[in-house]
Order: sequence, then C-alpha cells, then structure tokens
Amino acid sequence: AQKVTQAQTEISVVEKEDVTLDCVYETRDTTYYLFWYKQPPSGELVFLIRRNSFDEQNEISGRYSWNFQKSTSSFNFTITASQVVDSAVYFCALSGGGNYNTDKLIFGTGTRLQVFP
Amino acid sequence: NAGVTQTPKFRVLKTGQSMTLLCAQDMNHEYMYWYRQDPGMGLRLIHYSVGEGTTAKGEVPDGYNVSRLKKQNFLLGLESAAPSQTSVYFCASSPGTSWADTQYFGPGTRLTVL
Repeated sequence: AQKVTQAQTEISVVEKEDVTLDCVYETRDTTYYLFWYKQPPSGELVFLIRRNSFDEQNEISGRYSWNFQKSTSSFNFTITASQVVDSAVYFCALSGGGNYNTDKLIFGTGTRLQVFP
Repeated sequence: NAGVTQTPKFRVLKTGQSMTLLCAQDMNHEYMYWYRQDPGMGLRLIHYSVGEGTTAKGEVPDGYNVSRLKKQNFLLGLESAAPSQTSVYFCASSPGTSWADTQYFGPGTRLTVL
C-alpha cells in the first residue's frame, strides 16, 4: 500500500532562516509521482511541484528547492531565507500514476510551518 | 479564469439536515474530486468523477452522494448530516487521464454539523 509520512507536525523558525520539510514515501510502484502543496492561513491548497520517479534531479524555484532521493524514499522541501509569507501547512502527496480504477492521490498529514518576524 | 470555485464557503447544519455543496471549474478539466480535510489526517478522497455522467467512490464515501450532470460541475450531497461530517471540504479538478496529473483545488467549504 502507498503511504506518505510527514513526521514533522509543526516547525517554527525566525525569518531568514532556512528550513527543510521532510517527506518520506512508501510505494511498490516503479512509476510514481510526488507532489507538494501549500495551504496558507486563507485555506486554499496551492500546487507547488510535481515530480516523477524517473527524474531525480533536484529542482530549484526561487527560494524553494526540492531534493528527491529514491535511495531513501524521500522528497524533501527546503525554503531558503524564509519569510513570514511562507507560514502555511505544507502537504506532500504521492500517486502511482495508474488508471482511475487503481491508484489514488495519497496525502501526508502535513507540516505546519510558522515563520516569525 | 476563476479556476475551481466552491459554494458555499461556510455552512452550519443541524444533525439530520441535508445540503449540497457545489463545485465548478472553468478549465475544461475532465476529472473532478471531492476531499475532506480533518485535523491531523491530511486530505481524504470522498468521491471522484472521470467525466460527465460518471462518479466513483473514494476512500470515505459513506454518508455522501455526488453527481456530475455537467462537465464543469460536481455536486456533493449530504442526505442526513451527522456531527462526524464536520470538516473542511475541498473540490479539485485535473485535466488528464491518470492520477499522475496535477490536481487543482478550490478554496474549500467549512461545514459544521451540530
């Protein structure tokens, strides 16, 4: 069965600190997809990134970067020089990429990040 | 382009009452989903639809019904609300043909059942 674990329930940092949010996944599929979503205090879910299992290159987008390591089944998310606007709940999610009779999108329980000024 | 919208944003029901949540998307997406979000549990799939006129059960379908009469709309119904259905409900849509596609979410509906 597929599973996503976000062991960090809540993280607090001071502005300008770097912070890494951990995501560990379990799957038997050789093809799978990983996602990160952000849920700011306003409540909506904002898509951040999608990565397939064949692409282990790290990705950087501004202050955001993602480290995908198949050897440790992890897809960690780092925010560099954090800002107050980064305060949110962040969800990692996994899908097998199969058809709609089999796979589903499985979410972790989320990590609440609080950035203090 | 509004993306995915949900109506209403907030609702309070008494046990046993019924209601319908409306989800609309203007991205011409084929696939639509209803999730519920509860504290400490992430998002769980209630029902989904792979096209107009189709629906399927997700992980937690009991107590809910859905309909997809038009491609752009996906309705979630509670026939007899229970306090256990107090939650935040999210609708999402995706364009493609598998769970690999990115899902785009609406703003959510906060439902309280007393």
